[in-house]
Amino acid sequence: QVQLVESGGGVVQPGRSLRLSCAASGFTFSTYAMHWVRQAPGKGLEWVAVISYDGNNKYFADSVRGRFTISRDNSENTLFLQMNSLRPEDTAVYYCARVEIIGHTFDYWGQGTLVTVSS
Amino acid sequence: SYELTQPLSVSVALGQTARITCGGNNIVRKKVHWYQQKPGQAPVLVISRNDNRPSGIPERFSGSNSGNTATLTISRAQAGDEADYYCQVWDSSTGVFGTGTKVTVL
Repeated sequence: QVQLVESGGGVVQPGRSLRLSCAASGFTFSTYAMHWVRQAPGKGLEWVAVISYDGNNKYFADSVRGRFTISRDNSENTLFLQMNSLRPEDTAVYYCARVEIIGHTFDYWGQGTLVTVSS
Repeated sequence: SYELTQPLSVSVALGQTARITCGGNNIVRKKVHWYQQKPGQAPVLVISRNDNRPSGIPERFSGSNSGNTATLTISRAQAGDEADYYCQVWDSSTGVFGTGTKVTVL
Protein backbone atom coordinates (compact mmCIF):
# COMPACT_ATOMS: atom_id res chain seq x y z
CA GLN A 1 0.00 0.00 0.00
CA VAL A 2 1.10 3.56 -0.66
CA GLN A 3 2.82 5.20 2.28
CA LEU A 4 4.34 8.64 2.70
CA VAL A 5 6.20 9.32 5.94
CA GLU A 6 7.54 12.78 6.70
CA SER A 7 10.32 13.53 9.15
CA GLY A 8 12.65 16.34 10.13
CA GLY A 9 10.24 18.77 11.73
CA GLY A 10 10.97 20.54 14.98
CA VAL A 11 11.56 23.89 16.63
CA VAL A 12 13.97 26.26 14.91
CA GLN A 13 14.91 29.89 15.41
CA PRO A 14 14.02 32.54 12.84
CA GLY A 15 16.63 32.82 10.12
CA ARG A 16 17.84 29.26 10.56
CA SER A 17 17.42 26.27 8.25
CA LEU A 18 15.69 22.90 8.37
CA ARG A 19 15.43 19.99 5.97
CA LEU A 20 12.33 17.84 5.77
CA SER A 21 12.26 14.34 4.31
CA CYS A 22 9.43 12.22 2.99
CA ALA A 23 10.00 8.48 2.61
CA ALA A 24 7.76 6.91 -0.02
CA SER A 25 6.82 3.27 -0.43
CA GLY A 26 4.22 1.09 -2.09
CA PHE A 27 4.41 2.68 -5.53
CA THR A 28 6.92 3.50 -8.26
CA PHE A 29 8.18 6.75 -6.77
CA SER A 30 10.24 7.71 -9.82
CA THR A 31 7.15 8.04 -12.03
CA TYR A 32 5.24 10.58 -9.93
CA ALA A 33 5.56 14.31 -9.39
CA MET A 34 5.63 15.05 -5.68
CA HIS A 35 4.43 18.04 -3.70
CA TRP A 36 4.73 19.74 -0.35
CA VAL A 37 1.63 21.32 1.19
CA ARG A 38 1.57 23.09 4.53
CA GLN A 39 -1.03 24.12 7.08
CA ALA A 40 -0.39 26.73 9.74
CA PRO A 41 -2.04 26.05 13.11
CA GLY A 42 -5.78 26.65 12.81
CA LYS A 43 -5.42 27.81 9.20
CA GLY A 44 -6.09 26.45 5.74
CA LEU A 45 -4.04 24.42 3.32
CA GLU A 46 -1.28 26.15 1.39
CA TRP A 47 0.49 24.57 -1.56
CA VAL A 48 4.26 24.99 -1.20
CA ALA A 49 6.21 23.31 -3.99
CA VAL A 50 6.30 20.59 -6.63
CA ILE A 51 9.06 18.58 -8.26
CA SER A 52 8.63 16.59 -11.44
CA TYR A 53 9.10 12.84 -11.52
CA ASP A 54 12.68 13.19 -12.77
CA GLY A 55 13.61 16.24 -10.71
CA ASN A 56 14.06 18.48 -13.73
CA ASN A 57 11.16 20.81 -13.10
CA LYS A 58 10.38 22.60 -9.87
CA TYR A 59 7.82 25.23 -8.94
CA PHE A 60 7.28 27.16 -5.73
CA ALA A 61 4.66 29.27 -4.04
CA ASP A 62 5.47 32.98 -3.98
CA SER A 63 5.70 32.87 -0.19
CA VAL A 64 8.69 30.49 -0.22
CA ARG A 65 10.38 31.08 -3.56
CA GLY A 66 14.06 31.88 -3.09
CA ARG A 67 14.13 30.44 0.45
CA PHE A 68 12.95 26.85 -0.01
CA THR A 69 14.26 24.22 -2.41
CA ILE A 70 12.75 20.89 -3.31
CA SER A 71 14.67 17.81 -4.37
CA ARG A 72 14.31 14.06 -4.61
CA ASP A 73 16.38 10.90 -4.59
CA ASN A 74 14.63 8.35 -6.77
CA SER A 75 17.14 5.66 -5.84
CA GLU A 76 16.08 6.06 -2.19
CA ASN A 77 12.41 6.88 -2.83
CA THR A 78 12.75 10.05 -0.82
CA LEU A 79 11.51 13.61 -1.26
CA PHE A 80 13.16 16.58 0.45
CA LEU A 81 12.32 20.16 1.33
CA GLN A 82 15.22 22.40 2.27
CA MET A 83 13.94 25.41 4.15
CA ASN A 84 16.30 28.36 4.62
CA SER A 85 15.84 31.79 6.18
CA LEU A 86 12.87 30.52 8.13
CA ARG A 87 10.27 32.97 9.40
CA PRO A 88 7.65 32.66 12.15
CA GLU A 89 4.98 32.57 9.43
CA ASP A 90 6.53 29.34 8.12
CA THR A 91 5.27 27.59 11.25
CA ALA A 92 2.99 24.82 10.01
CA VAL A 93 2.41 21.13 9.58
CA TYR A 94 4.16 20.15 6.35
CA TYR A 95 2.64 17.36 4.30
CA CYS A 96 4.19 15.58 1.36
CA ALA A 97 1.64 14.47 -1.17
CA ARG A 98 1.44 12.53 -4.39
CA VAL A 99 -0.58 13.73 -7.34
CA GLU A 100 -2.46 11.16 -9.35
CA ILE A 101 -1.21 11.15 -12.92
CA ILE A 102 -4.50 11.19 -14.81
CA GLY A 103 -6.84 13.28 -12.69
CA HIS A 104 -4.18 15.52 -11.16
CA THR A 105 -5.63 15.20 -7.70
CA PHE A 106 -3.74 14.75 -4.45
CA ASP A 107 -4.47 11.06 -3.93
CA TYR A 108 -2.07 10.21 -1.08
CA TRP A 109 -0.79 12.35 1.77
CA GLY A 110 1.66 11.78 4.56
CA GLN A 111 0.73 12.29 8.19
CA GLY A 112 2.59 15.61 8.30
CA THR A 113 5.51 16.94 10.31
CA LEU A 114 5.30 20.07 12.45
CA VAL A 115 7.77 22.90 11.96
CA THR A 116 7.78 25.65 14.57
CA VAL A 117 9.79 28.77 13.93
CA SER A 118 10.27 30.63 17.16
CA SER A 119 12.98 32.29 19.19
CA SER B 1 -1.73 34.76 -8.79
CA TYR B 2 -5.00 32.90 -8.91
CA GLU B 3 -7.24 33.02 -5.84
CA LEU B 4 -10.11 30.87 -4.63
CA THR B 5 -12.63 32.21 -2.13
CA GLN B 6 -14.87 30.08 0.09
CA PRO B 7 -17.30 31.00 2.86
CA LEU B 8 -15.75 30.65 6.29
CA SER B 9 -18.53 28.43 7.58
CA VAL B 10 -21.70 26.62 6.52
CA SER B 11 -24.25 25.14 8.87
CA VAL B 12 -26.70 22.42 7.86
CA ALA B 13 -29.40 20.55 9.73
CA LEU B 14 -29.04 16.81 9.98
CA GLY B 15 -30.49 15.21 6.86
CA GLN B 16 -30.62 18.45 4.91
CA THR B 17 -28.47 19.77 2.05
CA ALA B 18 -25.30 21.84 2.39
CA ARG B 19 -23.78 23.81 -0.46
CA ILE B 20 -20.21 25.07 -0.31
CA THR B 21 -19.12 27.58 -2.91
CA CYS B 22 -15.67 28.22 -4.34
CA GLY B 23 -15.25 31.47 -6.22
CA GLY B 24 -12.51 32.15 -8.75
CA ASN B 25 -12.06 34.21 -11.88
CA ASN B 26 -13.57 32.23 -14.75
CA ILE B 27 -13.20 29.08 -12.68
CA VAL B 28 -15.32 27.19 -15.19
CA ARG B 29 -12.17 26.93 -17.33
CA LYS B 30 -10.42 24.93 -14.62
CA LYS B 31 -10.93 21.49 -13.15
CA VAL B 32 -11.91 21.84 -9.50
CA HIS B 33 -11.13 19.25 -6.86
CA TRP B 34 -12.64 19.12 -3.37
CA TYR B 35 -11.03 17.79 -0.19
CA GLN B 36 -12.48 16.99 3.21
CA GLN B 37 -10.28 17.39 6.26
CA LYS B 38 -11.17 16.29 9.77
CA PRO B 39 -9.23 17.49 12.84
CA GLY B 40 -5.77 15.99 13.11
CA GLN B 41 -6.05 14.17 9.79
CA ALA B 42 -4.71 14.66 6.30
CA PRO B 43 -7.17 15.80 3.63
CA VAL B 44 -9.22 13.27 1.70
CA LEU B 45 -10.43 13.76 -1.87
CA VAL B 46 -14.23 13.81 -2.14
CA ILE B 47 -14.76 15.24 -5.64
CA SER B 48 -12.31 15.34 -8.55
CA ARG B 49 -12.43 17.31 -11.80
CA ASN B 50 -15.57 19.25 -10.93
CA ASP B 51 -18.05 16.42 -10.55
CA ASN B 52 -16.35 13.03 -10.27
CA ARG B 53 -16.73 11.05 -7.10
CA PRO B 54 -13.82 8.78 -6.14
CA SER B 55 -14.58 5.23 -5.14
CA GLY B 56 -15.66 5.00 -1.54
CA ILE B 57 -17.16 8.48 -1.41
CA PRO B 58 -20.94 8.44 -0.81
CA GLU B 59 -23.29 9.50 -3.60
CA ARG B 60 -24.46 12.24 -1.25
CA PHE B 61 -21.39 14.24 -2.35
CA SER B 62 -21.63 15.98 -5.71
CA GLY B 63 -19.96 18.88 -7.49
CA SER B 64 -20.58 21.42 -10.21
CA ASN B 65 -18.70 24.24 -11.88
CA SER B 66 -20.08 27.20 -13.78
CA GLY B 67 -18.99 30.73 -14.53
CA ASN B 68 -17.03 32.06 -11.59
CA THR B 69 -18.27 29.57 -8.99
CA ALA B 70 -17.77 25.90 -8.27
CA THR B 71 -20.03 24.21 -5.76
CA LEU B 72 -19.75 21.15 -3.54
CA THR B 73 -23.12 19.80 -2.48
CA ILE B 74 -23.64 17.47 0.45
CA SER B 75 -27.11 15.92 0.43
CA ARG B 76 -28.74 14.26 3.43
CA ALA B 77 -26.00 15.59 5.67
CA GLN B 78 -24.75 13.31 8.42
CA ALA B 79 -22.86 14.03 11.61
CA GLY B 80 -19.78 12.42 10.07
CA ASP B 81 -19.73 15.09 7.36
CA GLU B 82 -18.65 17.72 9.88
CA ALA B 83 -15.24 18.81 8.66
CA ASP B 84 -13.31 21.48 6.81
CA TYR B 85 -13.67 21.45 3.04
CA TYR B 86 -11.21 22.90 0.52
CA CYS B 87 -11.50 23.43 -3.19
CA GLN B 88 -8.33 23.20 -5.26
CA VAL B 89 -7.20 23.95 -8.82
CA TRP B 90 -3.98 24.06 -10.79
CA ASP B 91 -2.75 27.36 -12.17
CA SER B 92 0.33 27.32 -14.38
CA SER B 93 1.80 24.22 -12.73
CA THR B 94 1.24 25.57 -9.24
CA GLY B 95 -1.40 24.43 -6.80
CA VAL B 96 -4.04 26.73 -5.39
CA PHE B 97 -6.30 25.89 -2.46
CA GLY B 98 -9.43 27.70 -1.49
CA THR B 99 -9.65 29.46 1.85
CA GLY B 100 -11.58 26.57 3.38
CA THR B 101 -15.10 26.14 4.76
CA LYS B 102 -16.02 24.64 8.09
CA VAL B 103 -19.21 22.60 7.82
CA THR B 104 -21.25 22.16 10.98
CA VAL B 105 -24.09 19.65 11.11
CA LEU B 106 -26.76 20.76 13.56
